Amino acid sequence: AAGVIQSPRHLIKEKRETATLKCYPIPRHDTVYWYQQGPGQDPQFLISFYEKMQSDKGSIPDRFSAQQFSDYHSELNMSSLELGDSALYFCASSFGTENTEAFFGQGTRLTVV
Amino acid sequence: AQRVTQPEKLLSVFKGAPVELKCNYSYSGSPELFWYVQYSRQRLQLLLRHISRESIKGFTADLNKGETSFHLKKPFAQEEDSAMYYCALKAGNTGKLIFGQGTTLQVKP
Repeated sequence: AAGVIQSPRHLIKEKRETATLKCYPIPRHDTVYWYQQGPGQDPQFLISFYEKMQSDKGSIPDRFSAQQFSDYHSELNMSSLELGDSALYFCASSFGTENTEAFFGQGTRLTVV
Repeated sequence: AQRVTQPEKLLSVFKGAPVELKCNYSYSGSPELFWYVQYSRQRLQLLLRHISRESIKGFTADLNKGETSFHLKKPFAQEEDSAMYYCALKAGNTGKLIFGQGTTLQVKP
């Protein structure tokens, strides 16, 4: 069965560079969530989209932006990268938000050097 | 404040021993709670959700609103249960999850 696909799996960037992370949800899923997991930390909610509109926002820095496209895939854009942005970034998708399970991708490991 | 607390970072037991992974939550509304498991180098997977009242892989969890707890239990641990376990709270109607810090379960032979 198709799962949530994230690309790239690994990314190394230098400070002050820009990074774009991509998330392809399970077919027919209309909701996408982004989470950030720092080393030894629990996953922290960043932002979510439902039907291409932002539905919720967590502790996402102003340097980050995201959107959901017409095919429901989502991209997380990160600018002016800092060392502290080094983390595992998870994407999850679901069909709606009520009584539904969120399925997670494998994550993108971003290392800022 | 919305918060999930897993007090144990590491729980180490022998095969066949009972397991209880603790989870406490703080939430002003009606909580919806989950346990997610992450096996080595794999993605987060849903293990249990309190509203379904299922037993998956021998694990059960009961929501105790009085104690604001959702502990995960298994009577006889297996080596293949070794993994990271996250308790999570669905906060609000947008589906976002608040995770606990995670507990690494290590089942020794």
